[in-house]
Formats: sequence, C-alpha cells, structure tokens
Amino acid sequence: DAKTTQPNSMESNEEEPVHLPCNHSTISGTDYIHWYRQLPSQGPEYVIHGLTSNVNNRMASLAIAEDRKSSTLILHRATLRDAAVYYCILRDGAGGTSYGKLTFGQGTILTVHP
Amino acid sequence: ETGVTQTPRHLVMGMTNKKSLKCEQHLGHNAMYWYKQSAKKPLELMFVYNFKEQTENNSVPSRFSPECPNSSHLFLHLHTLQPEDSALYLCASSHTTGPDSYEQYFGPGTRLTVT
Repeated sequence: DAKTTQPNSMESNEEEPVHLPCNHSTISGTDYIHWYRQLPSQGPEYVIHGLTSNVNNRMASLAIAEDRKSSTLILHRATLRDAAVYYCILRDGAGGTSYGKLTFGQGTILTVHP
Repeated sequence: ETGVTQTPRHLVMGMTNKKSLKCEQHLGHNAMYWYKQSAKKPLELMFVYNFKEQTENNSVPSRFSPECPNSSHLFLHLHTLQPEDSALYLCASSHTTGPDSYEQYFGPGTRLTVT
C-alpha cells in the first residue's frame, strides 16, 4: 500500500490558518487522498478528499501538488474545536487488493492555543 | 452524532468471559466495518461487511467473531480474550465499500479492558 508521512505534531493559535502537510511520494495514479480527523474521545470523522485538483468544503481546503507526491490540508481559521489528530490516507480507487480501504497512520496531533 | 451508535461504551471483561459489542447505523448504508485502536498504535481494520457479506478479515484471531445479521447491525463477539486485546473498538459504515463511497462514518467506540 502507498504510505503517507506526516509530522507527529503541530501547534496553532486560535483564528489563525493551519497548514497540515502530508507526503505521499509513492502515490499511484488511482489513489485518492483522504483526510480524516479524530477529536478526543470520539471516532474519526471525514474531512475532505481529492484526486488531482484542489478541493474546498465547509470544513477545510485540500491543496494537492501538481505531481501528487504531497498535499496540504488547510484549516482557514483554527478554533479550539479543531484540536484533534489529523490523518492523511491514500485510498485505492483501482480495484486492487486494498480497493476502497482506509489505512490509518499515526497522524498529526494538532494543538490549538487560545 | 454521526448516525452510528455503539454499545456498550465501556466494557471490562475477564479473560474467560464471553461478551458482545453492538453497532447500529441509521444511515441506510450497506457496508460496515470493525476497527481496533490500541494505545499508541494506528487504527487497524479488522473486518468489512458489504451487503451483509464479509469481504475482509484482516488476519484477526478467531477469538474475535463478527456477525452482520442485516445492513444496519454489526456485532463483534468476544471470547477468551487476552489483556493485549484491550483497546478502543470502532465501528464504521459507508454507502458501499467502493471508492465512490468516499466517506466512512464512525461510531464513538467501545473502550474494552481485558483483565
């Protein structure tokens, strides 16, 4: 399975933008880039996903490098509620043995300061 | 509230006990998943069901036995567990297992302690 590399932890101040990086140098052409986050004492929740183009939704933006070997999750104005573990996941869309699966890594622990 | 509920939220059991975890989704989904999250380790996929059929068993020991009687309910039957099985067990659902079902909805988990 293609793997992702994320920093172990990042810190931000409330109401400032946060850029969470993810490297996935072995990504294949059919892998989707997914982001989930896990708030304390909760199950993970979907944040955003993309394939090649940048994506925006009500929670965040996803910027995908032109060569697709890296991506950045952007939280435009961090709030205390955004403190969580953020997971960058590659999801196979081609029908191989890992078809459709989410394989979680360690993620990035985001701390938001008031 | 994600539409996926899990009971119980906390469970303490001895190594000789038999217990079951229950998951229910109210989203009309056809795929359901069990994940295990141990301390300091990433989430591990255990089992996948699609339209009530098991499509994935990720080399899980036989002391964990899943059951999916319909698309809304998923059980994890536990027997003769070991202390290292103590973990957070998470249930998730999605429309199907295909990549067009891009979002999985997770329940809050059952915190299991094996003594």
